Amino acid sequence: DADVTQTPRNRITKTGKRIMLECSQTKGHDRMYWYRQDPGLGLRLIYYSFDVKDINKGEISDGYSVSRQAQAKFSLSLESAIPNQTALYFCATSDPTGSYGYTFGSGTRLTVV
Amino acid sequence: GENVEQHPSTLSVQEGDSAVIKCTYSDSASNYFPWYKQELGKGPQLIIDIRSNVGEKKDQRIAVTLNKTAKHFSLHITETQPEDSAVYFCAASISGANSKLTFGKGITLSVRP
Repeated sequence: DADVTQTPRNRITKTGKRIMLECSQTKGHDRMYWYRQDPGLGLRLIYYSFDVKDINKGEISDGYSVSRQAQAKFSLSLESAIPNQTALYFCATSDPTGSYGYTFGSGTRLTVV
Repeated sequence: GENVEQHPSTLSVQEGDSAVIKCTYSDSASNYFPWYKQELGKGPQLIIDIRSNVGEKKDQRIAVTLNKTAKHFSLHITETQPEDSAVYFCAASISGANSKLTFGKGITLSVRP
């Protein structure tokens, strides 16, 4: 089994719909992250959580929300999806210091039509 | 905050040649510099990292060098092979309780057979 599992792998949704992307990890790490990848823009941080009670906005949090249901689970929601949220979304986890690299999931390709 | 620049956005080399990918960072306090490889349809994977207390690190055909004075670090791939074709991301962070990685925009490396 993968260390970081993202579901779904692909999703097409309509403008205005609410959608949730889920992430679970088996690394036992406290830290989890959600990134968005767009061509030419690299990886941009949406939200991050350093433990179950800690939620922080990243550089592009508008239009998104998150829920940290447990140490191993971190979900990303789009309350009302819009076409410019079409992107590849990655969840990641890291050790407590964040200085031993991140482990990424395989990504969710989201298309908003 | 930290800003990581990665240029150029694409690089093409002949199989067997060496490839060098360069990144610059802005925060002189950054002390951890990982490199990630992203293959098509997959999440980024850590391939090598370096800390500010060393100038160079090698792992088989890949190496990373760090110039703290100039605030840049580079990934060196020798004897390139077609399977080295991927997107490569550099990143930087300050190790510690609030550590978060800042990523460059990525470079697409193509190895021509």
